[in-house]
Amino acid sequence: GESVGLHLPTLSVQEGDNSIINCAYSNSASDYFIWYKQESGKGPQFIIDIRSNMDKRQGQRVTVLLNKTVKHLSLQIAATQPGDSAVYFCAENRGDYKLSFGAGTTVTVRA
Amino acid sequence: DAGVIQSPRHEVTEMGQEVTLRCKPISGHDYLFWYRQTMMRGLELLIYFNNNVPIDDSGMPEDRFSAKMPNASFSTLKIQPSEPRDSAVYFCASTRQGPGELFFGEGSRLTVL
Repeated sequence: GESVGLHLPTLSVQEGDNSIINCAYSNSASDYFIWYKQESGKGPQFIIDIRSNMDKRQGQRVTVLLNKTVKHLSLQIAATQPGDSAVYFCAENRGDYKLSFGAGTTVTVRA
Repeated sequence: DAGVIQSPRHEVTEMGQEVTLRCKPISGHDYLFWYRQTMMRGLELLIYFNNNVPIDDSGMPEDRFSAKMPNASFSTLKIQPSEPRDSAVYFCASTRQGPGELFFGEGSRLTVL
């Protein structure tokens, strides 16, 4: 029968390649966005954030792009490594200290 | 810094029993959040505190759930009576200034039989 539960998008990427993880957010009033990484059996871990007055922000091996016109957020990981295998969540803040998390994308890095 | 500390890491209990989950936030963090994670609903915010005061509990599923923060270094999430549908991983998170970078604990995996 059909499985019940969230259907998590998946991404399989070759080690060393770049990864792009996409996220659509719902609220045009959201002013702050965060990407989290969750490894199996652990809590989510902050990766990078971006405010709505920016369209790009770079960190170490990661870049977040924000397109407010189409309410789209992406996370780019350069030179993906086996340790990058995890579930990645985007989260939006609607201005009231409450983060709303997306369903998550499972990234698997192939050796 | 030890990070956010949660206990127990795993709890298996029977329907109808009381469950208490505990959290010690990072010292100096003024905000504390309780989240629940399930396959069905993903990560949901249950309640959050600022300076030990509950600010928003609109995510608490029903009256069986309650949360307290008696001081800046300790919070509890209680479920009484527990039901099988409460089975989930419960996360506590803290931050110095919401809604910035949340620091999550390792979670408490609850199984209600």
